[in-house]
Amino acid sequence: DIQMTQSPSTLSASVGDRVTITCRASQSISSWLAWYQQKPGKAPKLLIYKASSLESGVPSRFSGSGSGTEFTLTISSLQPDDFATYYCQQYNSLWTFGQGTKVEIK
Amino acid sequence: EVQLVESGGGLVKPGGSLRLSCAASGFTFSSYSMNWVRQAPGKGLEWVSSISSSSSYIYYADSVKGRFTISRDNAKNSLYLQMNSLRAEDTAVYYCARDVSPTGFDYWGQGTLVTVSS
Repeated sequence: DIQMTQSPSTLSASVGDRVTITCRASQSISSWLAWYQQKPGKAPKLLIYKASSLESGVPSRFSGSGSGTEFTLTISSLQPDDFATYYCQQYNSLWTFGQGTKVEIK
Repeated sequence: EVQLVESGGGLVKPGGSLRLSCAASGFTFSSYSMNWVRQAPGKGLEWVSSISSSSSYIYYADSVKGRFTISRDNAKNSLYLQMNSLRAEDTAVYYCARDVSPTGFDYWGQGTLVTVSS
């Protein structure tokens, strides 16, 4: 089974900050990685797919990069609506989510 | 508008059974693979099961294999999850999600809460 490890688990940041979240796979997953945003009591929302492709309607301040085993999600300028929990997901072999990164207000 | 609406959650005793449903609308249901994903209270997301558009391919997480059964009825635009031999650790919000391979899960339902407790 492929394990996904996100870091950090919690991130404190201010509006306007550049934020980076890392996701590592236990083996190579090529570019078969997605990123989701989840707010309390809501379903997850797809942000990025195939490691770096922006889902339609998602603001361009979100970007993804990486391939193989190391990936990053970057928010170029954090907005109030971005305080949430973010999950990576591999879909190279079945599906596995990372444990999540909570972005909270500093 | 794509909509996924889960139902069937509730309180069940350990060892009991429950059947979840997911009603789909706003898209050609029979063209998409579908998934169940769960989230225990205060915890992260866990993929549970997947079924291909024609039910030819079915997959389960190890944690539910042998106890849960995924199925679909394309004529009724519905996805199901039969859950047997339920355990306390199965307590979670269960989401159905559309799989738009190779892009990930693009639409999710609002979730239905399953509580396994005596």
